[in-house]
Amino acid sequence: EVQLVQSGAEVKKPGESLRISCKTSGYSFTYSWISWLRQMPGKGLEWMGRIDPSDSYTKYGPSFEGHVSISVDESTTTAYLQWTSLKASDTAMYYCARHMGGASYWFDSWGQGTLVSVSS
Amino acid sequence: QSVLTQPPSASGSPGQSVSISCTGTSSDVGGYNYVSWYQQHPGKAPKLIIYEVTKRPSGVPDRFSASRSGNTASLTVSGLQAEDEADYFCSSYAGSNNYMLFGGGTRLTVL
Repeated sequence: EVQLVQSGAEVKKPGESLRISCKTSGYSFTYSWISWLRQMPGKGLEWMGRIDPSDSYTKYGPSFEGHVSISVDESTTTAYLQWTSLKASDTAMYYCARHMGGASYWFDSWGQGTLVSVSS
Repeated sequence: QSVLTQPPSASGSPGQSVSISCTGTSSDVGGYNYVSWYQQHPGKAPKLIIYEVTKRPSGVPDRFSASRSGNTASLTVSGLQAEDEADYFCSSYAGSNNYMLFGGGTRLTVL
């Protein structure tokens, strides 16, 4: 069974750094791209970026380029989303998701979400 | 604001059919066969229900169907059931610059 299990909720202050994780299992980790998506409170989904675990090539959405970074650890089949300096506007639910069939443009498995709250 | 336009709400009675639209441009919805739809119940992660414009993943009931005309994609839910009450999001590939876009979501209410 394919599973994506995300790390727990975080409460941070503006300017702090943060890394959240997405532990995968049940499939060949390097076969499928993984994306991160943001859902702000009461709002829709926004695609942030994706990574190819086979070579760590990343692609970011225009709104997120330079503000977040995505990485993987192949040894632990885990993907990460990282901020170096959080803003209050980063408060949101964040999902990791697996691209269906390896390198497609839709997601067939999702993590349960990680709630990030940023407030002074 | 969302780049793909969806109506904020839709509703229908049990057993009825309801359609949800998703309007983009020739650079996204109309330009690639990479439209997908997701169902999201409150407090849950989204679930893929349609991919590649019209295809259903295994396990998704055939009550869910989809189509596209020009730059507008549509999701139809037939034989509405109480458990269909959820938010529905469309998504489309949009080329190497914008990459992947989502609609703002439609709240489906089963009356």
